[in-house]
Amino acid sequence: DAGVTQSPTHLIKTRGQQVTLRCSPISGHKSVSWYQQVLGQGPQFIFQYYEKEERGRGNFPDRFSARQFPNYSSELNVNALLLGDSALYLCASSPTVGLAEETQYFGPGTRLLVL
Amino acid sequence: AQKITQTQPGMFVQEKEAVTLDCTYDTSDQSYGLFWYKQPSSGEMIFLIYQGSYDEQNATEGRYSLNFQKARKSANLVISASQLGDSAMYFCAMREGSTGGFKTIFGAGTRLFVKA
Repeated sequence: DAGVTQSPTHLIKTRGQQVTLRCSPISGHKSVSWYQQVLGQGPQFIFQYYEKEERGRGNFPDRFSARQFPNYSSELNVNALLLGDSALYLCASSPTVGLAEETQYFGPGTRLLVL
Repeated sequence: AQKITQTQPGMFVQEKEAVTLDCTYDTSDQSYGLFWYKQPSSGEMIFLIYQGSYDEQNATEGRYSLNFQKARKSANLVISASQLGDSAMYFCAMREGSTGGFKTIFGAGTRLFVKA
């Protein structure tokens, strides 16, 4: 079975531009979460989506937005890119909206570099 | 305040020996989950082991075990018989929330170096 997939794998943008990252969850998983991992730090929670609805949001500015599609895939959009947005963006899927004991499975990530 | 604290930025262990990676957490929730993930240089987060807040037995998964001490709010990862391929970043994480939605909070990580 295919795991979580993300595209693109790498991306270079300039300040002020907009970027869209894509994620496909494991088959049968209905929840997708997004994380930002700056070099040298642990991942920081950005969003959780379940059944196309936002179910959780981390402490990120409104420049960050996301959506989930009927096939449970998801997109993360970041507008007006800043240098500090350079990071590894990780997508994780889980079967449902989440119980405390539900394991999330992560994709390989998208490395974004903002120049 | 830090919700997940990993006090060891880096650890060295000799191949075939055991190593303990420390993790303490802070939450007021009664129900939560504790996880350990491994992140090789490729970047992908690999799930290792899970411990539920109501579980009385320590979790084990092959060479990985989780030393869960609820009163002390600690969830240390023990890797037995270390292998060279265990060299990576290790993250402790806690999942908390409600049925409306959960989020996973990660610690800063511990980089493990396994020496031949």
